[in-house]
Amino acid sequence: AQKVTQAQTEISVVEKEDVTLDCVYETRDTTYYLFWYKQPPSGELVFLIRRNSFDEQNEISGRYSWNFQKSTSSFNFTITASQVVDSAVYFCALSRDSWGKFQFGAGTQVVVTP
Amino acid sequence: GAVVSQHPSRVICKSGTSVKIECRSLDFQATTMFWYRQFPKQSLMLMATSNEGSKATYEQGVEKDKFLINHASLTLSTLTVTSAHPEDSSFYICSARVPQDIQYFGAGTRLSVL
Repeated sequence: AQKVTQAQTEISVVEKEDVTLDCVYETRDTTYYLFWYKQPPSGELVFLIRRNSFDEQNEISGRYSWNFQKSTSSFNFTITASQVVDSAVYFCALSRDSWGKFQFGAGTQVVVTP
Repeated sequence: GAVVSQHPSRVICKSGTSVKIECRSLDFQATTMFWYRQFPKQSLMLMATSNEGSKATYEQGVEKDKFLINHASLTLSTLTVTSAHPEDSSFYICSARVPQDIQYFGAGTRLSVL
C-alpha cells in the first residue's frame, strides 16, 4: 500500500522567511513518482513538480526547491523568502504512474503574513 | 499548461435533488479523467477514474449509484450526484490526464445540500 505523510498541518511565517514542508512516503514499488501541488484559496490545484524514483537530484525553480532523499523516503519542499502569495495548502502526492493515480498527503497549510 | 474547466464552481441544492458537474478539457483530448472529493481542511480522496467510452472505475467505498460518472467524449466527463443529501456537501475536483504528461486539475465545485 502507498502512503504519504505530511506531518505539518499548518505553518505560519512572516514574509521573507524560509519555510520547509516535510513529506514522507511509503511504497513497495521500485518505480514511483512524487509530486507537489499548491492549492490556493480559490481551490484549483496547481502543479509544482514531478520527480521519479530514479532521479534523486535536488531541484530549484526560482524561490522553490525540493530535496528528494530515497534513504529516508522523503521529498521535502522549501520556499525561500516567502511571500504573501505563497499562502496556500500544499499537497505532496505519490503515484505508480507518471501521470497519477495519486495518493495525496493530508496537506500543509502555509500562512504568510506581511 | 493544459486547461481543465469545471462547471459550476458552486451549487446549492435541496436535499433529494440531483446535481450534475461538468469537467471539460479545453485544449486537449483526455482519454482519462479523475474525480476527487475534498472535505474541509482535508486531503483529496479519489472517487473514480473515468475513461472515455467505457464505465468508470470507482474506488472502494464510493457508491456508483450515488455518484454517476459519464465520459461520453474525449473532452467531457460529468459527475452526477443523485438524490443529494447534506452529507454529500463537499468540494468536488476533477482532473484530466494529458497524454505523455501529467494530470491537470479543474478549479473545483463546491456543493452545498440544504
